[in-house]
Amino acid sequence: NAGVTQTPKFQVLKTGQSMTLQCAQDMNHEYMSWYRQDPGMGLRLIHYSVGAGITDQGEVPNGYNVSRSTTEDFPLRLLSAAPSQTSVYFCASSTGDGLRTEAFFGQGTRLTVV
Amino acid sequence: RKEVEQDPGPFNVPEGATVAFNCTYSNSASQSFFWYRQDCRKEPKLLMSVYSSGNEDGRFTAQLNRASQYISLLIRDSKLSDSATYLCVALMNRDDKIIFGKGTRLHILP
Repeated sequence: NAGVTQTPKFQVLKTGQSMTLQCAQDMNHEYMSWYRQDPGMGLRLIHYSVGAGITDQGEVPNGYNVSRSTTEDFPLRLLSAAPSQTSVYFCASSTGDGLRTEAFFGQGTRLTVV
Repeated sequence: RKEVEQDPGPFNVPEGATVAFNCTYSNSASQSFFWYRQDCRKEPKLLMSVYSSGNEDGRFTAQLNRASQYISLLIRDSKLSDSATYLCVALMNRDDKIIFGKGTRLHILP
C-alpha cells in the first residue's frame, strides 16, 4: 500500500544549489501535481500533469521545473534554490476517471534554503 | 482573485458544539467540490465530496449552493479530534487543475 511516495522527507540546501524532489505513485493515476505550503498561504499549486508527457504550470511555477516521462514518476526540480523556496512541498496524484474523485498526497518534503 | 476562498479562522469551538464554515468559488462552471482535512504537519486527506443534493457522513454534512457559489461544511457534536485545518476544492472538468482554498483552522476546546 505505498500510494504516493515522496523523497526526501527533509532537506537543507544552500542558496544557488539545485536539487530534485522525487515523487512516485503506484496507483496508475493520470493526474499528478506539486504544491508548496507556507504559513498563512495554504497549498499553492506549482506544476501539474494530466498524463505522461504532459505538464502545465500552476499558480507559482517560477523557479521550478517538472517532467513526466512515466505515469508513475513526477519529479520537481529546483534549478537554483533561493531562501524564498523554503517551504513544505507536497506531491499528489488522482485518478483521471470522471471528475477526479480524490487526491492522494505524499507525506511532504520539508525544505530549508539557507 | 483566488479560485476558492475560505475564512482562515481560527474557529475556537467548545467540544460538543456545532460549527459550520463556508468556501466560495469564483467559477460558475465548477462541477465537482470536495472538503479535505489536514492535521498539523501532515498531508491533506479527503474528508468528503460535496454532491448537488447535499450529503451527510456521520456528524459531517456538506452542502452546495450554486446560486451563491459556495459550499459549506457542518460538523455536529464536535470532538477534540476534529481540530484540524479544513480545505475546499472546486473543479470544472476532468483535466482541471486542483486548486485548494487556504483552509479554515478549527480548534475544538475541551
